[in-house]
Amino acid sequence: AQSVTQPDIHITVSEGASLELRCNYSYGATPYLFWYVQSPGQGLQLLLKYFSGDTLVQGIKGFEAEFKRSQSSFNLRKPSVHWSDAAEYFCAVGPGFQKLVFGTGTRLLVSP
Amino acid sequence: GAVVSQHPSRVICKSGTSVKIECRSLDFQATTMFWYRQFPKQSLMLMATSNEGSKATYEQGVEKDKFLINHASLTLSTLTVTSAHPEDSSFYICSARDAGQETQYFGPGTRLLVL
Repeated sequence: AQSVTQPDIHITVSEGASLELRCNYSYGATPYLFWYVQSPGQGLQLLLKYFSGDTLVQGIKGFEAEFKRSQSSFNLRKPSVHWSDAAEYFCAVGPGFQKLVFGTGTRLLVSP
Repeated sequence: GAVVSQHPSRVICKSGTSVKIECRSLDFQATTMFWYRQFPKQSLMLMATSNEGSKATYEQGVEKDKFLINHASLTLSTLTVTSAHPEDSSFYICSARDAGQETQYFGPGTRLLVL
């Protein structure tokens, strides 16, 4: 069965510092991988996705993620965090883009 | 583009009553819509997948007679929680697939509190 683990429940980063959110997945075939961000009162917004090809994926808002098959990981990174990046981040995996399995989320706090 | 709305954003109801939640794709046609449930501090759990004009497909453990889903048009799906009980209190989120787009667009969610 497919599963997603986000080991960090919450992370605090200083504004301007770099960010890495961890995501490990369990899936029997080549996965479709996604990162979503959820802000209060708003729906989940897709940051980026990986289906195939280049393992370093660029997304919106300056985010990127790297697919590492050997480590079953799809970590999200941003070189310089802005206060507006404070939100809940979800990693998801699926056989396509439909039956997604989500991780439990990581809450990002940004300190001044 | 690709905006999904949900109504209501929050609802409080008495135990035993039924509650209907609407999910609309505002600027695209959604051949497929999904309903999720999110418990506090937990991930989203897929409840069911609905395709326009056909019966919804429910995930294992989800009672189809409890959670009625109707996808009557390409822009509207509804979830009705029938005879709601306090354990049904949760955050319900819908998403929609834009035909031809390999992604889901999510609504802002509906918080249901059953007293």
